[in-house]
Amino acid sequence: KAGVTQTPRYLIKTRGQQVTLSCSPISGHRSVSWYQQTPGQGLQFLFEYFSETQRNKGNFPGRFSGRQFSNSRSEMNVSTLELGDSALYLCASSSMDGGANIQYFGAGTRLSVL
Amino acid sequence: KQEVTQIPAALSVPEGENLVLNCSFTDSAIYNLQWFRQDPGKGLTSLLLIQSSQREQTSGRLNASLDKSSGRSTLYIAASQPGDSATYLCAVFMFGANSKLTFGKGITLSVRP
Repeated sequence: KAGVTQTPRYLIKTRGQQVTLSCSPISGHRSVSWYQQTPGQGLQFLFEYFSETQRNKGNFPGRFSGRQFSNSRSEMNVSTLELGDSALYLCASSSMDGGANIQYFGAGTRLSVL
Repeated sequence: KQEVTQIPAALSVPEGENLVLNCSFTDSAIYNLQWFRQDPGKGLTSLLLIQSSQREQTSGRLNASLDKSSGRSTLYIAASQPGDSATYLCAVFMFGANSKLTFGKGITLSVRP
């Protein structure tokens, strides 16, 4: 069974641009969660999608948004990029409620904002 | 607000030592606790998941225990090897209006040959 796939692996953007990251969960998994990881703040929860609906959202500004498609693939969008958005963005999939069961993580997308 | 703490932030040990990594959390109303491993520049790999009703879980050389009432968990690594070098994170999950995994900042382990 293929694991969680995140694309692209690396991105370099400049301030003010927008970016879209993609996550393909493990086949059959309906929950996809997104996290931001930085050296200072560690791993912080962004949002969780289940069956195309956002179920939970972390404490991030509205510039961070996401969506989930009928095949459970998910995208995350960040608009008006700031230097502080530079981070490793991780997505995780699980069969049911995100976190209530084992979460499987992708390798992440490393975003650098210049 | 749930907070998860892992101390120390880094640990260096010689190969063959038995290790205990600690994790503490402030709100004992958790549903489960997970231990993850992260290699540099990579994603997270789930090592063990302990449900709130369980006291411990074992996988190979790894054993995780949970004491929900005191807000503590430990990850025991037997006979450490250089390949165990990585960052180990614990995370707790709570159901509720904003159910999510809350992570500690991790312990970076280096096992010297």
